[in-house]
Amino acid sequence: GEEVAQTPKHLVRGEGQKAKLYCAPIKGHSYVFWYQQVLKNEFKFLISFQNENVFDETGMPKERFSAKCLPNSPCSLEIQATKLEDSAVYFCASSRTGDSNQPQHFGDGTRLSIL
Amino acid sequence: RKEVEQDPGPFNVPEGATVAFNCTYSNSASQSFFWYRQDCRKEPKLLMSVYSSGNEDGRFTAQLNRASQYISLLIRDSKLSDSATYLCVVTSGSARQLTFGSGTQLTVLP
Repeated sequence: GEEVAQTPKHLVRGEGQKAKLYCAPIKGHSYVFWYQQVLKNEFKFLISFQNENVFDETGMPKERFSAKCLPNSPCSLEIQATKLEDSAVYFCASSRTGDSNQPQHFGDGTRLSIL
Repeated sequence: RKEVEQDPGPFNVPEGATVAFNCTYSNSASQSFFWYRQDCRKEPKLLMSVYSSGNEDGRFTAQLNRASQYISLLIRDSKLSDSATYLCVVTSGSARQLTFGSGTQLTVLP
């Protein structure tokens, strides 16, 4: 598609439940990035993919968080055993290439609320 | 110290005013620089890339000073629709991920 598509827009989970978020990058874009935005505009990089391969996962919490980008499927970010501090907006972005001067295009985000 | 620092504002300016935002970055290996805008916790949207020679896009002018590790954004003739949070963003080294400043909030008043 012409836009990065993220689903769902809102997700509410009880503490300890699992949360799964989806992202379809712009057609033809080979890089996908996940970011977490908590209060006060603090963006945190989580993980990036080059096609189906993990490119950089230095931002991913070691436990509970996992992500995949499989062929012919939306990318996904999964959080096991959610905690209150996981409440945030999760943005997915894609870029055509991995060149650092390539702008990243963002989806609308998924607002995750952990109760 | 944060890798990208911005004055959080808020900046409240009247319509038609000129306003300037500053940003500093700490990683001298930073390679690419951008200004994004974000409206009311919606997705960040690219406003403009920032080049060493400086660049202009309509009412918006961006400057980069690599020696001082300083980036600026100038908005002339402010419009009500310019009200948003402006995010200074850099990429560094071989990493492709964006590193964001905490944003500068702008409100243009009628």
